[in-house]
Amino acid sequence: NAGVTQTPKFRILKIGQSMTLQCTQDMNHNYMYWYRQDPGMGLKLIYYSVGAGITDKGEVPNGYNVSRSTTEDFPLRLELAAPSQTSVYFCASSYLGEAFFGQGTRLTVV
Amino acid sequence: AQSVTQLDSQVPVFEEAPVELRCNYSSSVSVYLFWYVQYPNQGLQLLLKYLSGSTLVKGINGFEAEFNKSQTSFHLRKPSVHISDTAEYFCAVTPGSNFGNEKLTFGTGTRLTIIP
Repeated sequence: NAGVTQTPKFRILKIGQSMTLQCTQDMNHNYMYWYRQDPGMGLKLIYYSVGAGITDKGEVPNGYNVSRSTTEDFPLRLELAAPSQTSVYFCASSYLGEAFFGQGTRLTVV
Repeated sequence: AQSVTQLDSQVPVFEEAPVELRCNYSSSVSVYLFWYVQYPNQGLQLLLKYLSGSTLVKGINGFEAEFNKSQTSFHLRKPSVHISDTAEYFCAVTPGSNFGNEKLTFGTGTRLTIIP
C-alpha cells in the first residue's frame, strides 16, 4: 500500500513563478487536506476536501488553489510564488478522523 | 468548532525519566482525540487515538493517554523515555460523529527532547 504520495519532495521557486504540488492516495478516503508547517508554528490548514468535486478553505488559503476531480488526487496550486510561501507542505487523507500523511514537500521561494 | 491547546512548546527530559505532554481541547460536541508523532524530516504518523470506551488508551512505543471529559484533557504519558522518542508531538481533535464533518484540528505541537 502506497498510502499518501506527494511529489516533489523538494523544490526551489523564484518569486512570481507558479507550480503544482501533487498528492494522491490509494485508500479511497473522502477527506483530504493540505497543511503547511512553519518552524514552531505547528500545522496550518490551507484547504480541505470532503469528496470529489467539493473543496473548502482552511485557515490560510490566500495564494493557493486546489481542485478535486477524483477521490484519489488533490493537487495544490501556487499561482504567484512569494517568499512567505516558503514552508513544508503536507498532504493528508483521513477516515473517521484518523489522518494519513504524505512525506512532505519542502518548498523554498527565492 | 473545535480547538486544541498544547501548553508546552518544548519539553526536555532526561533519558529513562517519565514524561507527560499536555493537551486540552474545546468542543461543544463529543470528540475523537488523537496524538501524532513527527520524527525529524518525516511526515506525521498516528501514535494513539481515543474514539470511545476505556478512557486510558495505549499506543505504539510504550505511550499512553488518558481522556478526561470533565477536564477536557487528553494528556500523553510515557513512564520511561528513550533517545529515539525525540520528536515533535501533535494533539488533534475531530467531532465524534460521522455526519459529514470529520475535519481534524491540530494543536501547535510539543517538541520533546531527550537528554542522554
